[in-house]
Order: sequence, then structure tokens, then C-alpha cells
Amino acid sequence: RKEVEQDPGPFNVPEGATVAFNCTYSNSASQSFFWYRQDCRKEPKLLMSVYSSGNEDGRFTAQLNRASQYISLLIRDSKLSDSATYLCVGSSTSGTYKYIFGTGTRLKVLA
Amino acid sequence: DTGVSQNPRHKITKRGQNVTFRCDPISEHNRLYWYRQTLGQGPEFLTYFQNEAQLEKSRLLSDRFSAERPKGSFSTLEIQRTEQGDSAMYLCASSAQAGGSGYTFGSGTRLTVV
Repeated sequence: RKEVEQDPGPFNVPEGATVAFNCTYSNSASQSFFWYRQDCRKEPKLLMSVYSSGNEDGRFTAQLNRASQYISLLIRDSKLSDSATYLCVGSSTSGTYKYIFGTGTRLKVLA
Repeated sequence: DTGVSQNPRHKITKRGQNVTFRCDPISEHNRLYWYRQTLGQGPEFLTYFQNEAQLEKSRLLSDRFSAERPKGSFSTLEIQRTEQGDSAMYLCASSAQAGGSGYTFGSGTRLTVV
């Protein structure tokens, strides 16, 4: 079983829609979680950190559920420019703070 | 530009040749990571440096791979006797001591082995 698992999609949604991605992690001792965004043939870029209390950044809301070991990302009012791959990330517990990436969920926002 | 810099951006090499990639991290970041990403997959951890010390290596890093960070600044990743399976994007990332605030990635080196 992979340490971080995501539905690869693709998720095709109309502009203006709300879309949610979930991600599960297997290591209950992981401390830090993130969502990264990756455009085609580009490097991943940090979208937001994920906290148990939930956090919001504009149209994006991230949530961590430690009891169920899942992380979510909600995108409201989708824009064409949101089309990308969204990578779920959890930290290792080895003390090196290396990050474990999921395979990514592809989102395509349609006009 | 104070971001993470990687060179070259693209490398095409013949099977069996050696290649070397360079990463210049953000200057105040003492942690440096190498990852490899293939199509349709997320980045996979290869190795980690704190300053000049290589503190962790993945089992993905076979004997043909070696990485250095001689003065705790830039890092190099060398692949000897390249194989077609080495074709991938090689990503370098750096972070500050705190570590829990996310990495900054470079734009990567795309390797194609023919």
C-alpha cells in the first residue's frame, strides 16, 4: 500500500463548479501535510499547508482528519486556470522531513 | 532570482553514458532534496542533504547514482551508465531548518536516455 494515495482522476468540471479531492495516508505519525499544484511539465508548487483546524486561502479550503487519516482539498468557483495536477503530500516520520507525494489528481476545468 | 536553480533543463543522452545535474538551492536553506518524477506519478524521494552531510538515501538510488553537496551549497546528482529506465524529471528542492513549511522546487532537469 502506498503511503499517500489519491484518485488520479481526471476530474472534468465546468467553470464555476465546486470540486473536492481526497487523499489518504497510511502513516499515522506523519506530522505535516500539504497540497502542491503541478502544471504540465513544470515543477510542483506549494499550494497550501493542511491543518487539523482546517485552513482557507481564497477559493481553496484544506482539511486534515487525523482520526480517519485523510486530507481534503476543496476548490470553489473553479477557474480555467485551476486546471492542473494536485499533489497530496505527507511528511515522513524519520526526522529528515522528507515529503511523500501522492500520484496526483488531475483537474480539468472546462469552459 | 532567489529560487532553486537547476541545470541543465533538458538532457538527452545515449544509453551507457554518464550524466551530471546541478542544483543551486535558495541560499539560506540548509536542507536539500533530490526527487525523481516519471509520467503520471508523483515525485519520488531519492536523497537528502543537511548542509554537506548526506543523511538519507532511498533504495531507488542504485549504485549508479551518486549525489554530493561538497560545501553545503550547490549539489550535483550523477548517473553513471545510464539506462532507458532512468528517463525522468529530476527535481531538486530546498527548505529551511524548520522543515515543516514546505519545499521550494527547482524547475527540474528532464533526462531522456535513448
